[in-house]
Amino acid sequence: NAGVMQNPRHLVRRRGQEARLRCSPMKGHSHVYWYRQLPEEGLKFMVYLQKENIIDESGMPKERFSAEFPKEGPSILRIQQVVRGDSAAYFCASSRNRESTEAFFGQGTRLTVV
Amino acid sequence: AQKITQTQPGMFVQEKEAVTLDCTYDTSDPSYGLFWYKQPSSGEMIFLIYQGSYDQQNATEGRYSLNFQKARKSANLVISASQLGDSAMYFCAMREGRSAGNEKLTFGTGTRLTIIP
Repeated sequence: NAGVMQNPRHLVRRRGQEARLRCSPMKGHSHVYWYRQLPEEGLKFMVYLQKENIIDESGMPKERFSAEFPKEGPSILRIQQVVRGDSAAYFCASSRNRESTEAFFGQGTRLTVV
Repeated sequence: AQKITQTQPGMFVQEKEAVTLDCTYDTSDPSYGLFWYKQPSSGEMIFLIYQGSYDQQNATEGRYSLNFQKARKSANLVISASQLGDSAMYFCAMREGRSAGNEKLTFGTGTRLTIIP
């Protein structure tokens, strides 16, 4: 039973390029959460999605960032025109339902903008 | 005000000793959950233990236990008989409420635990 799968593990982008981060939730999980971790900080909530729906995007920057969780396929976090300040670890978590007492995290994608 | 406060940025503990990692929280919602996660140097986030606000007993999971003091709004993690593999960052997190849209976790800034042989 595979856990939450994120890819790539490491991503290097030049300023102005686009970054696409993928997250496949655990089997049977239809709730996905994206978090960002800046160096030496805790995780900060970005967005919560269910299949084909964004439920809560209160932590997403208003510009350049978008997220989707299509009916088929992984959830995608997309960052357009990346800047150095976007360099961080991006974690995805999934849960079976909103009452779950634990969310399982993936191993994260470490984005470096050069 | 900080929702989750972890006052110990770093701790050094001798192997086999017990460790207490502090966490205090701030919420006005009567329904909430508290989580502890471990982040080793490899970077993944590993769920350790969960405590619900209405749980009557302190949560335990193997060598991990949660010292939940509701009136003080503290949820300290206790690791018994520490091992070298316990060296990692430890994060306390909270989820507030049970209604829609409150599934997101708020994390503290973490405590870096180093176990000394």
